[in-house]
Amino acid sequence: GAVVSQHPSWVICKSGTSVKIECRSLDFQATTMFWYRQFPKQSLMLMATSNEGSKATYEQGVEKDKFLINHASLTLSTLTVTSAHPEDSSFYICSARRPGTRELFFGEGSRLTVL
Amino acid sequence: DAKTTQPNSMESNEEEPVHLPCNHSTISGTDYIHWYRQLPSQGPEYVIHGLTSNVNNRMASLAIAEDRKSSTLILHRATLRDAAVYYCILGGEYGNKLVFGAGTILRVKS
Repeated sequence: GAVVSQHPSWVICKSGTSVKIECRSLDFQATTMFWYRQFPKQSLMLMATSNEGSKATYEQGVEKDKFLINHASLTLSTLTVTSAHPEDSSFYICSARRPGTRELFFGEGSRLTVL
Repeated sequence: DAKTTQPNSMESNEEEPVHLPCNHSTISGTDYIHWYRQLPSQGPEYVIHGLTSNVNNRMASLAIAEDRKSSTLILHRATLRDAAVYYCILGGEYGNKLVFGAGTILRVKS
């Protein structure tokens, strides 16, 4: 079964509104989680590293005020797309590594459509 | 980040082996070779990873060239459920911060 879960799996919103996506590690604690974005027929692009109890680390070109990341607990990271616009429509995916293993577990993804 | 080069797409027949190549000529001595795959509309899933020696697990085998400048992911008997985008990625042992390239689209014909 899934070990990293995202919610919602899909969301449609109006332009200008904010949308929050949750990423949970289900049976382990994750001090670090990673957020990716994927446009249709493209590869995953790493957006940021979410750090429990501290600020997220954003990749070059990713607006931190646009994509707010909060990692308030060891099992939950949230990504908030603020003032969403149609160009923010994308597939957002999070990942985390279970301690003691070498593989990254990815969530099911959250498809955002901004009208 | 060291880059990898993969063919854009490959096609295989069901029940036949598939060899997915990956070139990584600028690999560093500490880079591990990670393979993930992504089925349509899903998040990626781990397939296998290795450093120098060939590796086997229940999903696949990883053959690593002696000079480590290339590797091959081997699916021993492709099924329709193996149709996915396969990504070859270089990273640390624990593969935390993985940077994905374009990957190879694998199509499996029945």
